[in-house]
Amino acid sequence: NAGVMQNPRHLVRRRGQEARLRCSPMKGHSHVYWYRQLPEEGLKFMVYLQKENIIDESGMPKERFSAEFPKEGPSILRIQQVVRGDSAAYFCASSPKALGTEAFFGQGTRLTVV
Amino acid sequence: QQQVKQSPQSLIVQKGGISIINCAYENTAFDYFPWYQQFPGKGPALLIAIRPDVSEKKEGRFTISFNKSAKQFSLHIMDSQPGDSATYFCAASFAYSGAGSYQLTFGKGTKLSVIP
Repeated sequence: NAGVMQNPRHLVRRRGQEARLRCSPMKGHSHVYWYRQLPEEGLKFMVYLQKENIIDESGMPKERFSAEFPKEGPSILRIQQVVRGDSAAYFCASSPKALGTEAFFGQGTRLTVV
Repeated sequence: QQQVKQSPQSLIVQKGGISIINCAYENTAFDYFPWYQQFPGKGPALLIAIRPDVSEKKEGRFTISFNKSAKQFSLHIMDSQPGDSATYFCAASFAYSGAGSYQLTFGKGTKLSVIP
């Protein structure tokens, strides 16, 4: 059973470009969380999604950031018009049920904005 | 308040020694307290977790001690090994009540180095 798969592992974007981060949850998992980790910081919650629904986006910046988890395919975190401050590691976690005790993390996407 | 404060920021321990990392929280509604281990370039991996109705939980060399009245919990790593060198994060959530959408609130992490 493959773990949570994130791609790409590393992404370099110039300021103003768009970044698309993908997350395929573990098989059978329908709950996905996105977290952002800045250097020397803990992970900060961004958004919680279930299939085709955004459940909680209270940690997501109001502009330029969006997330989706379609019926088919991976969850996507999209950052438009990236700025240097968006440089961070973005982690996806999935769980099999709403009970939040079994969250498994992917290896992350390291975004660098130049 | 949903902060979780973690200390120390970094820790150096001799092989065979005990590593102790502490966390404190504000919100008494938290009902799940996991510890995660993260190696460089990897995602966090669940190490051990505890609920507030238990004061201690032990799994192998790893023990969580939980003090509900003080709103503190700690991770003890017995017989620390060089392979334990990693960054450790405490976290808290409303895992059983669903408040806050089960999201994890993380401490800032402790970088542990175990020297031979």
